[in-house]
Amino acid sequence: SQQGEEDPQALSIQEGENATMNCSYKTSINNLQWYRQNSGRGLVHLILIRSNEREKHSGRLRVTLDTSKKSSSLLITASRAADTASYFCATALTQGGSEKLVFGKGTKLTVNP
Amino acid sequence: NAGVMQNPRHLVRRRGQEARLRCSPMKGHSHVYWYRQLPEEGLKFMVYLQKENIIDESGMPKERFSAEFPKEGPSILRIQQVVRGDSAAYFCASSRNGGRSEAFFGQGTRLTVV
Repeated sequence: SQQGEEDPQALSIQEGENATMNCSYKTSINNLQWYRQNSGRGLVHLILIRSNEREKHSGRLRVTLDTSKKSSSLLITASRAADTASYFCATALTQGGSEKLVFGKGTKLTVNP
Repeated sequence: NAGVMQNPRHLVRRRGQEARLRCSPMKGHSHVYWYRQLPEEGLKFMVYLQKENIIDESGMPKERFSAEFPKEGPSILRIQQVVRGDSAAYFCASSRNGGRSEAFFGQGTRLTVV
């Protein structure tokens, strides 16, 4: 079953605007990770935020984590056409000794030039 | 340090044949995940392995599918007697410390069953 659920499913913005994607999850987590996938390619890791962290930055990316609401957001500032991709959140789901990494369905971001 | 290597990139099999997908993790990584992705969909977890052990195979069909990660050599995802519904992209990822660290993905194997 899916652990993370991204919202919105699709987002279309103009170059220069900010893009915000949200992720909700169901169970306790050790960390939450965001990945990017260009069409037909493998996923690329963007950022990992631990359960005891509330906010993390990396370049134009800003990730927040609210463990009380079981939600995270990914903000891309000053978007570029090259940011067009699908973005996924992933959580390390600990069950019976397993720490499998489970992905949501993703947000498809289109940045129009 | 080479990234995660998957081969073949594309695989065509006739119904009833076997498909073998290979994944060489990054150097120093002993944790491997396999995922399946249909077009325009997310990644569906299949199996999580550490060297010589299957940790979690809850996402893998009980029949026709198997996975291994031997002490030496790549991880193998094996699909026996393939059917059209097995057509998908299969991605492998490796990490140093399971779900506690970032995962690195291969470019995937696109399986087409004709």
